[in-house]
Amino acid sequence: GAVVSQHPSWVICKSGTSVKIECRSLDFQATTMFWYRQFPKQSLMLMATSNEGSKATYEQGVEKDKFLINHASLTLSTLTVTSAHPEDSSFYICSAKGAQGIAFFGQGTRLTVV
Amino acid sequence: AQSVTQLDSHVSVSEGTPVLLRCNYSSSYSPSLFWYVQHPNKGLQLLLKYTSAATLVKGINGFEAEFKKSETSFHLTKPSAHMSDAAEYFCVVSKPQAGTALIFGKGTTLSVSS
Repeated sequence: GAVVSQHPSWVICKSGTSVKIECRSLDFQATTMFWYRQFPKQSLMLMATSNEGSKATYEQGVEKDKFLINHASLTLSTLTVTSAHPEDSSFYICSAKGAQGIAFFGQGTRLTVV
Repeated sequence: AQSVTQLDSHVSVSEGTPVLLRCNYSSSYSPSLFWYVQHPNKGLQLLLKYTSAATLVKGINGFEAEFKKSETSFHLTKPSAHMSDAAEYFCVVSKPQAGTALIFGKGTTLSVSS
């Protein structure tokens, strides 16, 4: 099946710093990518949808200035958590959808802000 | 608006017995429905999907789900549970307005005992 690679798998950062998470579709072109957040023992919450070359569409309640999303190419989307705080600690998962219409998920990134 | 409700947060079965994970959906459109599985410390894997073709959908690892429009249900079943089936299962509906982003249910934890 199609592969979506997410990097890094886990990251620890200091409060106030920024963290960038990369999501790559390795063997298909992803016209649309999605970013989700998952709290412990909870479901995935859609944060934003991004289409290649255009601005991301954020879900209600998600701060676009805090969670910067860039979808510069058909195989790469990045999520930057700016000025991270402990409450931003979470599991972030990206998803990529190509022409086949199926969304494939990355392995996730566990972010811990200390 | 699209949403899914997973009726059980936790299901426990014995190895070799049937599995039933319940899901009800709400959708203003003819929905696309999915079941995903998440094993500990691993990414999400697509089990099966319904996209208005056959109402009984067969997936991987012996799982299947039946779309019942009259009951707005999409329950996941498996005739005989294996220990390796223990995981978190998510019922998911697509959100057409946002490039088919996926909206997740809260998840059902499946435990399998020997």
